Amino acid sequence: EPEVTQTPSHQVTQMGQEVILRCVPISNHLYFYWYRQILGQKVEFLVSFYNNEISEKSEIFDDQFSVERPDGSNFTLKIRSTKLEDSAMYFCASSAPTKEEAFFGQGTRLTVV
Amino acid sequence: DAKTTQPPSMDCAEGRAANLPCNHSTISGNEYVYWYRQIHSQGPQYIIHGLKNNETNEMASLIITEDRKSSTLILPHATLRDTAVYYCIVRVGIYTGNQFYFGTGTSLTVIP
Repeated sequence: EPEVTQTPSHQVTQMGQEVILRCVPISNHLYFYWYRQILGQKVEFLVSFYNNEISEKSEIFDDQFSVERPDGSNFTLKIRSTKLEDSAMYFCASSAPTKEEAFFGQGTRLTVV
Repeated sequence: DAKTTQPPSMDCAEGRAANLPCNHSTISGNEYVYWYRQIHSQGPQYIIHGLKNNETNEMASLIITEDRKSSTLILPHATLRDTAVYYCIVRVGIYTGNQFYFGTGTSLTVIP
């Protein structure tokens, strides 16, 4: 069964460093999303991406965040200058244009120290 | 924010049906009801969705009231692996790529 793949599964970074979280969505999907979940809290929407541009973003998704689909298979989330409060599980998801459900990856746990 | 209300926790005996309620009294005509679950800290897993008709798939059944202000997710024969947080989400339209708003969900514990 096709699945969304995220790498790495766990990343530790120093405050102020840039990180790139990587996702390989399901191959025929056209909508892509990033969500995050701070430990013990709700799953929060960050951004959605369609047709090579951001279609929707939340208040959390400020100027330190960016997304990119650098090739036909990867979808990345970049955090330019990480803060301690960026520590969270980051989930990538994708959905097809003719299907209603979004499929989530297993997440990348980001720890900022 | 999420426009749904769910009980924070429920227990269910293994092998019995688990009935998880959700109130969405402000749902509008073009909003669908989705159910997802999250086991431990894994990625949310899609279960089922519907607009106004009852739906069934290999995982669960979704019963939506006629006025669409509430719904119930039914896991017909709960197993220990169904222990998870279940999220009821309303979302505008389909095929739109709109975001899913996750609330706090219902933590279901299946008891042996």
